[in-house]
Amino acid sequence: KNQVEQSPQSLIILEGKNCTLQCNYTVSPFSNLRWYKQDTGRGPVSLTIMTFSENTKSNGRYTATLDADTKQSSLHITASQLSDSASYICVVRVSGFQKLVFGTGTRLLVSP
Amino acid sequence: EAQVTQNPRYLITVTGKKLTVTCSQNMNHEYMSWYRQDPGLGLRQIYYSMNVEVTDKGDVPEGYKVSRKEKRNFPLILESPSPNQTSLYFCASSSPGTGDANVLTFGAGSRLTVL
Repeated sequence: KNQVEQSPQSLIILEGKNCTLQCNYTVSPFSNLRWYKQDTGRGPVSLTIMTFSENTKSNGRYTATLDADTKQSSLHITASQLSDSASYICVVRVSGFQKLVFGTGTRLLVSP
Repeated sequence: EAQVTQNPRYLITVTGKKLTVTCSQNMNHEYMSWYRQDPGLGLRQIYYSMNVEVTDKGDVPEGYKVSRKEKRNFPLILESPSPNQTSLYFCASSSPGTGDANVLTFGAGSRLTVL
């Protein structure tokens, strides 16, 4: 069964600190993995996409990694800001289909 | 501005009273989809459409209908709403292909309460 699991479910960090969010998937065949950021009450917005051949990709203070062998991805946030408070959702696309498998997200709260 | 527009944003209704949530996109996207989001369950796909007149069930289609008569519009219809359909609903669209081309653009969400 295609599944995406994220950890932790929720996280509180102090402003300026770093954090890492985890995503483990069992989707097959794998096409790509995308991280979305969802602010409270808003629709998700794409942060970055990882394909099979990519190990690391950065988007400002966000760095995503992908290990296709262990089927794990992480999202590292550097020097967190209050505006990083949001839910972060890992979404994996099944190759050859428009099928997406969503994780339940990690809720991040950055405290002043 | 490229966007997906949903209406209404907020709605309180009663059991059994038919309602429609509209979704429109201005990006000429072929693919459109509806999701519901509930606490602890994440986003679950209700229906999707690969193009005009082409729709298919997602993971939780029971109690919902959709239509795709025009490329830009993809309304979600609840013929006889029930309290378990109280949720936050998102419409999204994307173009086909791989990589960045198929990023989903989401609407702002429609919060529905069924009493």
